Amino acid sequence: DAGVTQSPTHLIKTRGQQVTLRCSPKSGHDTVSWYQQALGQGPQFIFQYYEEEERQRGNFPDRFSGHQFPNYSSELNVNALLLGDSALYLCASSTEGTGYREQYFGPGTRLTVT
Amino acid sequence: AQSVAQPEDQVNVAEGNPLTVKCTYSVSGNPYLFWYVQYPNRGLQFLLKYITGDNLVKGSYGFEAEFNKSQTSFHLKKPSALVSDSALYFCAVRGRSGSARQLTFGSGTQLTVLP
Repeated sequence: DAGVTQSPTHLIKTRGQQVTLRCSPKSGHDTVSWYQQALGQGPQFIFQYYEEEERQRGNFPDRFSGHQFPNYSSELNVNALLLGDSALYLCASSTEGTGYREQYFGPGTRLTVT
Repeated sequence: AQSVAQPEDQVNVAEGNPLTVKCTYSVSGNPYLFWYVQYPNRGLQFLLKYITGDNLVKGSYGFEAEFNKSQTSFHLKKPSALVSDSALYFCAVRGRSGSARQLTFGSGTQLTVLP
């Protein structure tokens, strides 16, 4: 049973560019959440997708946007990159049924903005 | 707004000794509480969760955590530490309705188990 997968593993971009990160959830999961983890800090919630819609959003600007596909996979897009966007971006999947389920995390994508 | 505090950036313990990693939280209503572990250059790995019921929760790799509602704490414990337990540990909280349903993490505690 494959866990959460993310691509690419590493990415280097220049200020002002745009980036797309991808995530495939664990088999059987229907909800995908994205987090930003800056160096030395805990993960910060960006947003969550369920049934192809953004259901929750953290305190991130509109430059951060996402999408969920019918197969539950998801993309995170960041426009007009800033140096401060350099971080590990984590995708987590879960099921949102009658009770709360823990989130399972992927290995992350390391984004470096120069 | 909900929050998590992990007051110790670093915890050192000798192998074989008991370990405790502290966590306190703030959330509206009854919480869902979680502990995750992160190894270098890896994603987060789920250890255990508190949803409801028994205040002592047992999880993976011999870890357990005690939920204390009056002290709003959820400390992670293990009776006998292993060198392989050395990693970065994160406590997280989630509320049960509305915007509180997003998962909020603490800043992490680096655990080092000395041989």
